[in-house]
Amino acid sequence: GDSVTQMEGPVTLSEEAFLTINCTYTATGYPSLFWYVQYPGEGLQLLLKATKADDKGSNKGFEATYRKETTSFHLEKGSVQVSDSAVYFCALNRQNSNSGYALNFGKGTSLLVTP
Amino acid sequence: DAGVTQSPTHLIKTRGQQVTLRCSPKSGHDTVSWYQQALGQGPQFIFQYYEEEERQRGNFPDRFSGHQFPNYSSELNVNALLLGDSALYLCASSSRAFGSDTQYFGPGTRLTVL
Repeated sequence: GDSVTQMEGPVTLSEEAFLTINCTYTATGYPSLFWYVQYPGEGLQLLLKATKADDKGSNKGFEATYRKETTSFHLEKGSVQVSDSAVYFCALNRQNSNSGYALNFGKGTSLLVTP
Repeated sequence: DAGVTQSPTHLIKTRGQQVTLRCSPKSGHDTVSWYQQALGQGPQFIFQYYEEEERQRGNFPDRFSGHQFPNYSSELNVNALLLGDSALYLCASSSRAFGSDTQYFGPGTRLTVL
């Protein structure tokens, strides 16, 4: 079945460092891919999405490109801030032809950015 | 524009009890999905409601049931609570009428089963 694999955390970076969080997926068909972020004690916020191969999603300095050839959707940011400390989830949607979509999440990657 | 809202924020129950959680979708959305997030894990899909019917279901026992009302709000009911049901329960809404696959999440309800 469909699945998402994320790199293990926690990831600890200094402020202004470059961030990469790896995400690979297994899916039939052509799912949309998402990154969500969860700040401590909160729900999930949509960070960015891509709906087809070679699409690049971007938001708040974060980017991810839908790579069908490598089945990947790695999250990147050129210069992280302390406020980016959170847990990041990669997800794909599973579409049941008559019943809409359901998200299939990775286990999450915790990011800690230090001053 | 109000986002997805959930109530209550926190809840403490004992084993064997029953619980009801509530969700109001984002304005303009017609589809509500429920997820369970255990500590340190990614959310797991429970089920999805559209037009007041359960349309999809994840790998959860029938102790988990739900309802959607004509105003699109939804309830999640869990019967015969187990310690393992302790988790953050997340509601997400989306717009099937507009063909969107993007789900927006509420802040969650933290359920503790003692």
